[in-house]
Amino acid sequence: DAGVTQSPTHLIKTRGQQVTLRCSPKSGHDTVSWYQQALGQGPQFIFQYYEEEERQRGNFPDRFSGHQFPNYSSELNVNALLLGDSALYLCASSLSSGGFYGYTFGSGTRLTVV
Amino acid sequence: DQQVKQNSPSLSVQEGRISILNCDYTNSMFDYFLWYKKYPAEGPTFLISISSIKDKNEDGRFTVFLNKSAKHLSLHIVPSQPGDSAVYFCAAFSDSNYQLIWGAGTKLIIKP
Repeated sequence: DAGVTQSPTHLIKTRGQQVTLRCSPKSGHDTVSWYQQALGQGPQFIFQYYEEEERQRGNFPDRFSGHQFPNYSSELNVNALLLGDSALYLCASSLSSGGFYGYTFGSGTRLTVV
Repeated sequence: DQQVKQNSPSLSVQEGRISILNCDYTNSMFDYFLWYKKYPAEGPTFLISISSIKDKNEDGRFTVFLNKSAKHLSLHIVPSQPGDSAVYFCAAFSDSNYQLIWGAGTKLIIKP
């Protein structure tokens, strides 16, 4: 039973570019949350998707957008990249009815902006 | 404005002894508090949680204590084992907004 799969694992982009990160949730999960973890800090909540809609959003600018597909997989898009966007991006899947129980995290995508 | 704080970036403990990791929070509206463990190159994994209406929860070697008046929680690991060496994150959850609010983490090193 595959857990949460994120791709790519590492990525280097130039300032001003756009990036798309992908997440496949654990089998049976219908909700996907995205987090940004800067070096030396805890993960920061970006947004959560359920039923292909953004259900909740953290304190991130509109440059950060997402999408959830009918198969529950999700994408995180970041436009006009800044050096400060360099971080580990974590995807977590869960059941909508499960609250925080059963949050399963992927290993993350390490984004470096140069 | 950090709502969840872990003030110790690292902690070194002898194998077999007790490890105590601490966490403070500012928001009284959190419904649950959680501890996650993270190894390098892996995502965080859920360890143990406690409801805001409880003051203690135990699971094997792991016990979490909650002091609501002090807005403080702690994770006790007894006895500490080499495999416990990891970064431990304290997180808080609110039923009203589905968000996990995380501390900055404490790196636990278990010495043989």
